[in-house]
Amino acid sequence: KAGVTQTPRYLIKTRGQQVTLSCSPISGHRSVSWYQQTPGQGLQFLFEYFSETQRNKGNFPGRFSGRQFSNSRSEMNVSTLELGDSALYLCASSSTGTDNEKLFFGSGTQLSVL
Amino acid sequence: AQSVTQLDSHVSVSEGTPVLLRCNYSSSYSPSLFWYVQHPNKGLQLLLKYTSAATLVKGINGFEAEFKKSETSFHLTKPSAHMSDAAEYFCVVTTLDTGRRALTFGSGTRLQVQP
Repeated sequence: KAGVTQTPRYLIKTRGQQVTLSCSPISGHRSVSWYQQTPGQGLQFLFEYFSETQRNKGNFPGRFSGRQFSNSRSEMNVSTLELGDSALYLCASSSTGTDNEKLFFGSGTQLSVL
Repeated sequence: AQSVTQLDSHVSVSEGTPVLLRCNYSSSYSPSLFWYVQHPNKGLQLLLKYTSAATLVKGINGFEAEFKKSETSFHLTKPSAHMSDAAEYFCVVTTLDTGRRALTFGSGTRLQVQP
């Protein structure tokens, strides 16, 4: 069974641009969640999608948005990039999104904003 | 509201000696607790999870953790460290809040294993 796939692996953008990151979950998984990882703030929850609906959202500005398609693939968009958005963005999938469920993580997209 | 505190940002041990990574949590609800490991340039991988069954949980690669409700702790241990255990470890607490999963990560503990 293929794991969680994130593309691209690395991305370099400049301030003010926008970026779209993609995540393909494990086949059959309906929940996809996104996280930002930085040395200063650690791992922070961005949002979770389940069956194409955003089910939960972390404390990030509206510049961060996402969506989920009918095949459970998810995209995350960041508009008007800032230097502080430089981070490793991880997505994770799980079967039903319950609290005691294991998360399967992708290897992440390393975003650098110049 | 919930929070996770990993008491050590860095732990260094010699190969073959025991490992102890400490985690304390607080939660308004009955939590599920997890330990994940992250090797450089990789995503997180589940080591073990506690979900209100046995308080001593065994995971992969010889790791185990004990849930102590009275101490609100979920410390990770391994009897004998291996060089391949060098990585960053995250304690995670999750609860269901009005049907939505709320997930909080600890700040991470970097484990260094000396030969």
